[in-house]
Amino acid sequence: QVQLVQSGAEVKKPGASVRVSCEASGYTFTTYALHWVRQAPGQRLEWMGWIITVSGKTKYSQNFQGRLTITRDTSASTVYMDLTSLTSEDTAIYFCVRQGIPSPPGNWFDTWGQGTLITVSS
Amino acid sequence: QSALAQPRSVSGSPGQSVTISCIGTSSDVGGYYYVSWYQQHPGKAPKLLIYDVNRRPSGVPDRFSGSKSGNTASLTISGVQPEDEANYYCCSEAATYAVIFGEGTKLTVL
Repeated sequence: QVQLVQSGAEVKKPGASVRVSCEASGYTFTTYALHWVRQAPGQRLEWMGWIITVSGKTKYSQNFQGRLTITRDTSASTVYMDLTSLTSEDTAIYFCVRQGIPSPPGNWFDTWGQGTLITVSS
Repeated sequence: QSALAQPRSVSGSPGQSVTISCIGTSSDVGGYYYVSWYQQHPGKAPKLLIYDVNRRPSGVPDRFSGSKSGNTASLTISGVQPEDEANYYCCSEAATYAVIFGEGTKLTVL
């Protein structure tokens, strides 16, 4: 079955960077775009960006411009989310999400990773 | 626009119908086809309930339905059940293939 397995929880200090990985299985990796969505404690879902896995083309929410980079390794069926200049407001669960149909990017989300808790604290 | 507008909370007794609204603009809900809804129980990942405004994935009970009129999308639960108590989020495609979520609505089953 389709699965997205993310890397484990991390604690970071303010100003640091974090990388979260997401390994996909159960389907052809390059067929579907993958997105990152985060959720701060007790808060709403927030879309961060997507990557078209076949080409590496990306789009980011304006809220993260300059701090967010999404990349992929097709040989490992893995997507990476790098977020820099962390502050306490970046404390959240980060979800890797597959969209429901191959294109266009940004349709709906049918498969979610288990989530990765990133805590930013001094 | 940072988020689509949803009521903070709604409630209903078992068997009643409940509707959750999702108000956007012509730059998202009103102008694009891909409106979806997600259910999230505490401590869990969200689950897709509705896609393409009104389509249900297999396995989602038919008491869940979606609709859209202008800039407003709606999720209706016809005959709410105790297990439906959760948070609900709408989501829309936006300009240049961006995505925007709603503020979220907590459903309480009385």
